[in-house]
Amino acid sequence: GAVVSQHPSWVICKSGTSVKIECRSLDFQATTMFWYRQFPKQSLMLMATSNEGSKATYEQGVEKDKFLINHASLTLSTLTVTSAHPEDSSFYICSAKNGETQYFGPGTRLLVL
Amino acid sequence: GNSVTQMEGPVTLSEEAFLTINCTYTATGYPSLFWYVQYPGEGLQLLLKATKADDKGSNKGFEATYRKETTSFHLEKGSVQVSDSAVYFCALSDRTGGSYIPTFGRGTSLIVHP
Repeated sequence: GAVVSQHPSWVICKSGTSVKIECRSLDFQATTMFWYRQFPKQSLMLMATSNEGSKATYEQGVEKDKFLINHASLTLSTLTVTSAHPEDSSFYICSAKNGETQYFGPGTRLLVL
Repeated sequence: GNSVTQMEGPVTLSEEAFLTINCTYTATGYPSLFWYVQYPGEGLQLLLKATKADDKGSNKGFEATYRKETTSFHLEKGSVQVSDSAVYFCALSDRTGGSYIPTFGRGTSLIVHP
């Protein structure tokens, strides 16, 4: 099946720094990718829809200036958490749409100290 | 708006027991339906899907049938294994209006004891 990778899988950073997370579709082109956030023992919260070559569409309540999304190519989307704070610590998951199906990356666990 | 409702967990079973995880949905259009599985510390993996009414998705012994009349997509497995312990998410995608709207249920944790 389709493969989506994320990098890094783990990141620990100091409060106030910025962190970039990459999401790649390895064997298909994805004009649309999604970024989710998952809190412990909870469902996925859709943060934004990333569209290749255009601006991302953010869900209500998600700060677009804090969570910068760039979908520069058909196989790569990046999420940058700017000026991270401890409350941004979470599990971030991306997915790429291939036809009707979303294929998920393995997730990135972010810990902000 | 669209929504997906799953049964509350955790579901705790003994090995080789029969599994049912209920999922019902509401959607404005004609959605495709999915089950995803998340193992501890990992991302989500597509388990199975169905794209139209009466379709049956199946994979690794799991099955789910798209029931439009009851707006349901219940997940079943005849004999669970310890390795099936994970969180299962029911989801739908709706193409109404030309936009793609993914909606997930809250997830149901499955614990299988030897």
